[in-house]
Amino acid sequence: QVQLVQSGAEVKKPGASVKVSCKASGYTFTSYGISWVRQAPGQGLEWMGWISAYNGNTNYAQKLQGRVTMTTDTSTSTAYMELRSLRSDDTAVYYCARAPSIAVAGHFDYWGQGTLVTVSS
Amino acid sequence: SYVLTQPPSVSVAPGKTARITCGGNNIGSKSVHWYQQKPGQAPVLVIYYDSDRPSGIPERFSGSNSGNTATLTISRVEAGDEADYYCQVWDSSSDVVFGGGTKLTVL
Repeated sequence: QVQLVQSGAEVKKPGASVKVSCKASGYTFTSYGISWVRQAPGQGLEWMGWISAYNGNTNYAQKLQGRVTMTTDTSTSTAYMELRSLRSDDTAVYYCARAPSIAVAGHFDYWGQGTLVTVSS
Repeated sequence: SYVLTQPPSVSVAPGKTARITCGGNNIGSKSVHWYQQKPGQAPVLVIYYDSDRPSGIPERFSGSNSGNTATLTISRVEAGDEADYYCQVWDSSSDVVFGGGTKLTVL
């Protein structure tokens, strides 16, 4: 069965960076994309960006351009999301989600369990 | 950028039909996807490409999309359907956009 297992909760200080991992299993990793979506406490879903696990192409939300980097390691079927220059409003649960396309973000058919990132001094 | 508008809340009695709308400019020309999120859990895809259901999603869940409104319909609502529901679209100009979410309350 398809599973996306994310790394554990993180507490960071403002200005620091965080890197969240998402290990995929149960499907051919390079035949799909991975998107990252975050959810601030009590708020809705915010799309952060997408990476094709097939060729590494990325597309980031304009709001996060310059602060976010998404990568994949096909040898371990793991996707990573790094967010830099953290601010208090980056406090959120971060989800990875599988996109059934290697070309565009589209929609998301399986989700990770979420990783809480808390930014606090 | 493209905006999707959902009502903040919808209430329905058990056994009745719930309709959750998602408004957007000419949304009928885009593919709409719907997610269910229960408290403390990750979202779950319930409808994709306007009206397709993933395996494991009950037939009670259906979707439609035309003009400026897409609709998620839940028939014979059960207590377990109580959750937040989000619509989502993608296109080449706006990338991925989520609606603000609708809290479905089962009375």
